[in-house]
Amino acid sequence: DGGITQSPKYLFRKEGQNVTLSCEQNLNHDAMYWYRQDPGQGLRLIYYSQIVNDFQKGDIAEGYSVSREKKESFPLTVTSAQKNPTAFYLCASSIPLRSSGSGDLAKNIQYFGAGTRLSVL
Amino acid sequence: AQKVTQAQTEISVVEKEDVTLDCVYETRDTTYYLFWYKQPPSGELVFLIRRNSFDEQNEISGRYSWNFQKSTSSFNFTITASQVVDSAVYFCALANFGNEKLTFGTGTRLTIIP
Repeated sequence: DGGITQSPKYLFRKEGQNVTLSCEQNLNHDAMYWYRQDPGQGLRLIYYSQIVNDFQKGDIAEGYSVSREKKESFPLTVTSAQKNPTAFYLCASSIPLRSSGSGDLAKNIQYFGAGTRLSVL
Repeated sequence: AQKVTQAQTEISVVEKEDVTLDCVYETRDTTYYLFWYKQPPSGELVFLIRRNSFDEQNEISGRYSWNFQKSTSSFNFTITASQVVDSAVYFCALANFGNEKLTFGTGTRLTIIP
């Protein structure tokens, strides 16, 4: 079955440590996204990538880094510079509007993984 | 700048009642997309519907219906004959044409009481 897999489900970070959250998709989507969700709040965009080897900062990129070396993978690293990393992290993917070969109805809909809950020890 | 407001933080209704979740948006663009997502306790966001700005036709899918009104910048979501499985947090979101980043509202937590 096609989908988005995030791992691990739970992650604990020690002070001063970098941790990496995994996001893998087998939907053949060009675009991938990382969001952060804090209790009682909506999702905020951290980074996004419209194509392999290219990514853009979202609204709250400070303290985070990403890479997009493969179409199906978009890992997120929470660095020690992120002073308040405790949150629920969600990864998503989509077919961009500009993509050819897909009907318009399938484009621009972001599908999400099950999330990673990060806590600080 | 764009913004999505979901003024209802929490709603509780008794099973089988109808319930409407409100969503008001702000954008300067004339072409945009509106979305609703459901977040059950498991945490994953589930896509429910996408609407584009030039299609104001209301939509019904089973017990779910959506009312899009450009005049009031609203995209409300109604669940008819609610069920316990409808208990979740529901998010409304907005994306402008050409910029596919989603702007989310803060969500409405819906609890269906058996």
